[in-house]
Amino acid sequence: DAGITQSPRHKVTETGTPVTLRCHQTENHRYMYWYRQDPGHGLRLIHYSYGVKDTDKGEVSDGYSVSRSKTEDFLLTLESATSSQTSVYFCAITRGLGSGNTIYFGEGSWLTVV
Amino acid sequence: QKEVEQDPGPLSVPEGAIVSLNCTYSNSAFQYFMWYRQYSRKGPELLMYTYSSGNKEDGRFTAQVDKSSKYISLFIRDSQPSDSATYLCAMLMNNNAGNMLTFGGGTRLMVKP
Repeated sequence: DAGITQSPRHKVTETGTPVTLRCHQTENHRYMYWYRQDPGHGLRLIHYSYGVKDTDKGEVSDGYSVSRSKTEDFLLTLESATSSQTSVYFCAITRGLGSGNTIYFGEGSWLTVV
Repeated sequence: QKEVEQDPGPLSVPEGAIVSLNCTYSNSAFQYFMWYRQYSRKGPELLMYTYSSGNKEDGRFTAQVDKSSKYISLFIRDSQPSDSATYLCAMLMNNNAGNMLTFGGGTRLMVKP
């Protein structure tokens, strides 16, 4: 158990509405990530954070923004949800850099945009 | 061409069979190689990771890396129905901003009793 909690776990929203997904960790890890998982594409990195207020874009960042105002919380926001953002979203943490320090995932947030 | 290629399956085997799962990759900068197991409607769970070429064994699981061929494998011996899941290979590069993972698309495995 990597101490990661995602909320909400399931959400249905309408096109054009804003949506925020929350990732909460209890182990004071510096690095946090948001991935999305889609059939045929596997897991793709949206945004990541390497510290409070320090974030950067991943492979598929268009249409998403993130914020990290405190160590334990990493928020993913869809400013205006589109049907192409229907997906499963996973938050992840790493316990450090270098050998042996790999990435652990939360349980996922299922988002449907109708 | 994707950086990491993985056959999506599904792969169906009888209980007790030896399973071989494979990935190829194109980026020589990848330093670490992982296998994740993902059950339906769950998050990926780290199964094994390796750094160097060669084999690493953990119980019924063996991870194999051939950097010269850019090819990694996961072998499962004495497969069980509980091994039925999607297996994701992942490659990692370190940079100053964190561990960056690139995933294969996953292979769905079904082990039949």
